[in-house]
This record gives sequence, C-alpha cells and structure tokens, in this order.
Amino acid sequence: RKEVEQDPGPFNVPEGATVAFNCTYSNSASQSFFWYRQDCRKEPKLLMSVYSSGNEDGRFTAQLNRASQYISLLIRDSKLSDSATYLCVVNILTGNQFYFGTGTSLTVIP
Amino acid sequence: NAGVTQTPKFQVLKTGQSMTLQCAQDMNHNSMYWYRQDPGMGLRLIYYSASEGTTDKGEVPNGYNVSRLNKREFSLRLESAAPSQTSVYFCASLPGSTNEKLFFGSGTQLSVL
Repeated sequence: RKEVEQDPGPFNVPEGATVAFNCTYSNSASQSFFWYRQDCRKEPKLLMSVYSSGNEDGRFTAQLNRASQYISLLIRDSKLSDSATYLCVVNILTGNQFYFGTGTSLTVIP
Repeated sequence: NAGVTQTPKFQVLKTGQSMTLQCAQDMNHNSMYWYRQDPGMGLRLIYYSASEGTTDKGEVPNGYNVSRLNKREFSLRLESAAPSQTSVYFCASLPGSTNEKLFFGSGTQLSVL
C-alpha cells in the first residue's frame, strides 16, 4: 500500500471556482504534513504546511484529520496562475523520510 | 546563496553505461535526499542522508548508490544504467526539523536508451 494516496484528477475548473483536493496517508506515525506545488515537471515548491488545527494562507486552506489520516487543501477564487500539480507530502519521523503523493493536476480555465 | 545545485540538467545514456548525478547545497543543511519522478508515480525516495557520513535506502534504491562525502554534497551513482531508470531526478535538502520545508534542486532529466 502506498504511504500517501491522492486523486490524480485532472481537475478542470473555471476562474473563480472553489476546488478541494484530498489526500490519505497510511502510517499513523506520520508527524508532519505539507502541500507542495509543482509546475510543468519543475522542482516542487512548498505551498503550505498543514497543522492539526487547520490553517489558512490567503485563498488556500489546509485541514488535517489525524483520526481518519486525511489531509485536504481548499482553493477559493481560483486564478489562472493556480494551474499546477499539487502534491501531498507526509513526513514519517523514523528515518526522517518524506513521502509524496502522486499529485493532483489542476487546470483553471478562463 | 545558490540553494541546491544539481548537475547535469540533461543526460542521455546507453544501457550499461555508468554515471554520477551531483548535488550540492550551500545552506548548511543536515539532511539530503534523492528522488525520482515518473509520470503518474509522483516522487519516490531513492536514498537519503540524515547527516554527513550516513546514508539510508528509501523506497526504490535498487540500481543506485549514493555518497555523502561532506555536509554539502550528496551524489547519486548509476553503475549500470537501465531503460527503467529513465526519469527525472530531484535532489533535496532539509535544514533540520522535519517541520521545515524541503529545498529542491532544479532536476536532472535522464534518458537511458
């Protein structure tokens, strides 16, 4: 079983739409959680960390449910520039390893 | 600061050839990682080094070796390249705490014919 699973999409949404991505992880010992963004097979870049209480950064909101081992990312008022692949990332303390989901592709349409 | 520097950016090999992918960071980070990315597979961890002088296997280590010669540099070697190793390779480093972000190099596109 994969450590991190994501719906690969693709998600095609109009500008201004709200879109949500989900991610599940299999290891209950997972310690840290992140969403990364990747453009056109360039290097991934951190979008935001995910905290237990949930956190928001502008139009982006991340949620963590440890009981269900589930992470989500909500994007409000989608912009054309949000088009990218969004990667769910989980850190397992043992060995300091980071595991990536396969990514969810988002295209925002004018 | 240059951040994480990977070389080369592109490489074409014939089956059976060997090569080393170089990675260096100038941020005094403790941990370094090598990932490969294939279509539909996401990033998969090949090897990592939690600190200078230590290395450990990740999810897909077969066919690769690594060296962490000093704190700055973490190299990935393919002893006998195979077409299945055609991929995009990313090196990353981590300052210290696992709550911090990974810093990535710009990647190496490797094709094995």
